Amino acid sequence: DAKTTQPNSMESNEEEPVHLPCNHSTISGTDYIHWYRQLPSQGPEYVIHGLTSNVNNRMASLAIAEDRKSSTLILHRATLRDAAVYYCILKNSGGSNYKLTFGKGTLLTVNP
Amino acid sequence: DSGVTQTPKHLITATGQRVTLRCSPRSGDLSVYWYQQSLDQGLQFLIQYYNGEERAKGNILERFSAQQFPDLHSELNLSSLELGDSALYFCASSVVGGGAVETQYFGPGTRLLVL
Repeated sequence: DAKTTQPNSMESNEEEPVHLPCNHSTISGTDYIHWYRQLPSQGPEYVIHGLTSNVNNRMASLAIAEDRKSSTLILHRATLRDAAVYYCILKNSGGSNYKLTFGKGTLLTVNP
Repeated sequence: DSGVTQTPKHLITATGQRVTLRCSPRSGDLSVYWYQQSLDQGLQFLIQYYNGEERAKGNILERFSAQQFPDLHSELNLSSLELGDSALYFCASSVVGGGAVETQYFGPGTRLLVL
């Protein structure tokens, strides 16, 4: 599986935007970029995914670099409930498409 | 609420014992995945079942086994338990069980403590 690199931790203030970076320099052309997050004492939950174009949903936006070697998850207005570990994961349609390979993720702290 | 349920929420047992963790997937989902989350290893994929058949195996120990029943619920059996098996065990489900865009929905987990 192609590897992703994320900062161990980030801090934000409530109601401010948060940009969570992810590097994936070995991404292949068929890899989709997925983001999941894990709130304290809960299971991971899906946030967003994309291939090449920027994506928006009710939770967040995903900005993908033109060369696809990096991406950024954007929370437009962080709330205390967004404090979680955020995982950037690559997934493709190849032989290992069945699982999610979690790295260490980024621990986001949101200050009131 | 993801729609995936897991029981029990907590389990405390002794070394050498055997336990069974249960998972009910979201309605309509055919695939079930099991993951283990420990402090030192993070979230690791264990095994996947699709419509009753084993589809993929990850880092699952031989002491562990799983099955998926005709009603699509799944059970993870852990035997000859060791202290190092203490972890959170998550079940996830998805509609089909593959593909680059498919989302997995996770349950709340079972926290296992082996004393």
